[in-house]
Amino acid sequence: QKEVEQDPGPLSVPEGAIVSLNCTYSNSAFQYFMWYRQYSRKGPELLMYTYSSGNKEDGRFTAQVDKSSKYISLFIRDSQPSDSATYLCAMSVWGTDKLIFGTGTRLQVFP
Amino acid sequence: SQTIHQWPATLVQPVGSPLSLECTVEGTSNPNLYWYRQAAGRGLQLLFYSVGIGQISSEVPQNLSASRPQDRQFILSSKKLLLSDSGFYLCAWTQGNNSPLHFGNGTRLTVT
Repeated sequence: QKEVEQDPGPLSVPEGAIVSLNCTYSNSAFQYFMWYRQYSRKGPELLMYTYSSGNKEDGRFTAQVDKSSKYISLFIRDSQPSDSATYLCAMSVWGTDKLIFGTGTRLQVFP
Repeated sequence: SQTIHQWPATLVQPVGSPLSLECTVEGTSNPNLYWYRQAAGRGLQLLFYSVGIGQISSEVPQNLSASRPQDRQFILSSKKLLLSDSGFYLCAWTQGNNSPLHFGNGTRLTVT
């Protein structure tokens, strides 16, 4: 079993939809969680990071962490075609700098 | 603000040729530096990381090596490329533990 599991997609939604992207993990020591967006042929761009359970909001993006279920989510409201990209989750044990990445979910938002 | 530069953006090299990819970070000092390789459908694989000049840790034994000759410079090298070295190579940096990881724009390497 991989430490971090992420559905590869592709996930195809119409413009304006609410998108839910998810990752599950097996290591209960993970305490630091991140979401990255990666456009084709570019490096991953940090979207959000959080250390705690619950929700963290930034504009149209909300990151949610449920440590009891070992489950994290990224919600995108009012999705736009420019949100079409691959989304990677990442996490690490507190006090280390080695991130474990999911394999990424490809999102397509069509007009 | 901090920026990370990685070059070249694309590279086509024959099997058996040497490789040198360079990465530099600006706007910070004593960063932790990383080389990742990304293969389609397989996620990001950590190759090397460095916490200081001359300090290199290898995560995966393979045909590659890394060096950090200056505080904000990280180089990925190979003496003889293999076909299996083809991939998307990403340099990244953090300011230390529990800090976000920031990536460069990557080098797409094709070994022919």
